[in-house]
Amino acid sequence: GAGVSQTPSNKVTEKGKYVELRCDPISGHTALYWYRQSLGQGPEFLIYFQGTGAADDSGLPNDRFFAVRPEGSVSTLKIQRTERGDSAVYLCASSPKGGHPGGYTFGSGTRLTVV
Amino acid sequence: GEDVEQSLFLSVREGDSSVINCTYTDSSSTYLYWYKQEPGAGLQLLTYIFSNMDMKQDQRLTVLLNKKDKHLSLRIADTQTGDSAIYFCAENNDMRFGAGTRLTVKP
Repeated sequence: GAGVSQTPSNKVTEKGKYVELRCDPISGHTALYWYRQSLGQGPEFLIYFQGTGAADDSGLPNDRFFAVRPEGSVSTLKIQRTERGDSAVYLCASSPKGGHPGGYTFGSGTRLTVV
Repeated sequence: GEDVEQSLFLSVREGDSSVINCTYTDSSSTYLYWYKQEPGAGLQLLTYIFSNMDMKQDQRLTVLLNKKDKHLSLRIADTQTGDSAIYFCAENNDMRFGAGTRLTVKP
């Protein structure tokens, strides 16, 4: 696609529910990143994929968070047993290869609200 | 991960120059970036600099890099009200971001 697409753009869920957030990167981009941005904060790194594998998942806050990228393109961020503190904008970015200087393109994000 | 730090707020008058500063700790970064985020919008890549350069100019934007001190700055010449936004620096080694500098431009 022309840009990084994230769906849904907004998600409201009840505490304790399971949610899935989707990221569709730019076609051909092998590197994919997930970030979480809380109000007034910078993007907080969650996980980085190079192809199908998670090259760095050190930013995932706990085992309720999991992400997959089974075919090396679309990625899904999964959050189990959601808590109010998970409310944030979840951002996805992709690049042609990890470390490419100008190739990090961000999606518009999914705003998750846990009530 | 390593830290990226920025001052949180900057206010300037329209037409003045703005200088936004950033310090980072990861000396293995090969690229450093400046992103702009307007209210309710995603992050837009403004410019980047390769770590073996000390300056890069792109129209109204000038990036200065002091690799010895791990200090990066973004200068915006002739700042306009449309430049009001949050500016983030980031480094490529592990793509960590600073907390952002909120630039307010007063007419």
